[in-house]
Amino acid sequence: DVKVTQSSRYLVKRTGEKVFLECVQDMDHENMFWYRQDPGLGLRLIYFSYDVKMKEKGDIPEGYSVSREKKERFSLILESASTNQTSMYLCASMVASRYEQYFGPGTRLTVT
Amino acid sequence: EDQVTQSPEALRLQEGESSSLNCSYTVSGLRGLFWYRQDPGKGPEFLFTLYSAGEEKEKERLKATLTKKESFLHITAPKPEDSATYLCAVQTSWGKLQFGAGTQVVVTP
Repeated sequence: DVKVTQSSRYLVKRTGEKVFLECVQDMDHENMFWYRQDPGLGLRLIYFSYDVKMKEKGDIPEGYSVSREKKERFSLILESASTNQTSMYLCASMVASRYEQYFGPGTRLTVT
Repeated sequence: EDQVTQSPEALRLQEGESSSLNCSYTVSGLRGLFWYRQDPGKGPEFLFTLYSAGEEKEKERLKATLTKKESFLHITAPKPEDSATYLCAVQTSWGKLQFGAGTQVVVTP
């Protein structure tokens, strides 16, 4: 079974803080993704990575950056958190041959 | 523009009352259609992948089918534990998924 883990289930941060969200997968997948999910807007892609040190912008990259130093780990960074970044953040890992994405449990981030 | 529309938005079923969820899509070159189940406060759980029209996949009480313009998720004789939001997604370009808004299903005993 594919296992994707995320560093925190719940996180509360203050406006202006730098926030790190970590994601780890145990299946040696090359491809990893970060989404955010908001009521009424569904899941939206922030960034993805198809290899170590490689990254591509998704549909809503503004205000975020990512880091992929090791194959199993993909980090999402909020350089200066703002209240409109309060959301559920979901990481996924992809089976490249079948394009199937497997999601982690999510991090509910609240920025006050 | 690529689009995925799910209907209905919400569905309330009695235990044992079979029904179908719809996912219609407009995408230039379908590379795969995916169904996920999501429980409140959790990440989506992968259910099925469909690649070509006419394809069908089954898992317990769930059956997914695909035509050239839409996919259906049939729930046969549902149980309360089938209550969840069901998400449909299509692959629009390499690795990128376009998600629908989901159908929230509630099954009452």
